[in-house]
Amino acid sequence: GQQLNQSPQSMFIQEGEDVSMNCTSSSIFNTWLWYKQDPGEGPVLLIALYKAGELTSNGRLTAQFGITRKDSFLNISASIPSDVGIYFCAVPPISSGSARQLTFGSGTQLTVLP
Amino acid sequence: DTAVSQTPKYLVTQMGNDKSIKCEQNLGHDTMYWYKQDSKKFLKIMFSYNNKELIINETVPNRFSPKSPDKAHLNLHINSLELGDSAVYFCASSQGGSGWKQYFGPGTRLTVT
Repeated sequence: GQQLNQSPQSMFIQEGEDVSMNCTSSSIFNTWLWYKQDPGEGPVLLIALYKAGELTSNGRLTAQFGITRKDSFLNISASIPSDVGIYFCAVPPISSGSARQLTFGSGTQLTVLP
Repeated sequence: DTAVSQTPKYLVTQMGNDKSIKCEQNLGHDTMYWYKQDSKKFLKIMFSYNNKELIINETVPNRFSPKSPDKAHLNLHINSLELGDSAVYFCASSQGGSGWKQYFGPGTRLTVT
């Protein structure tokens, strides 16, 4: 099956710092998604990317769809305590049917220190 | 109003028992899903279902079965529970044609003793 390599596995940063994480695969994809999971909650979609090279922002978050279509990056600027959580990349299958099954990366656990 | 809800939030049971987790969505979506999140936080699709087809991930044991009484509900039944079934189970829903935005429920933490 599809495998997504997400790094880093965990990050400890000071409040106010910028954060970068990425997701890579040996396969190409047409869509890259970034989700955040708060402690004790389900994942929430942050950003969706649909075109190679696309750069999309959502507040302090910016994500990019890699040119090779095999990777994606997420940056968080000026981190704040509520950024704490697990960040997941996810991709749908190349040949999608009516049921949209996503494959998730292994997640990046972010801790923001005051 | 909660978009995707699950009950119970926590479920503790013994090996060999049969249990169910309920999921309801009030978004009018046509597709619902069940995911399993293990102790390492890895999220894996188990089932996806709409009124046309049920897709079962090949790695899911047949002790697990989804049941949909109507479009807004997709319940998860688990027979003969095993220790390895301990995990957090998430229900999600989405609407066909609206991209890949899936809305997740708050999760059910299942502990098998």
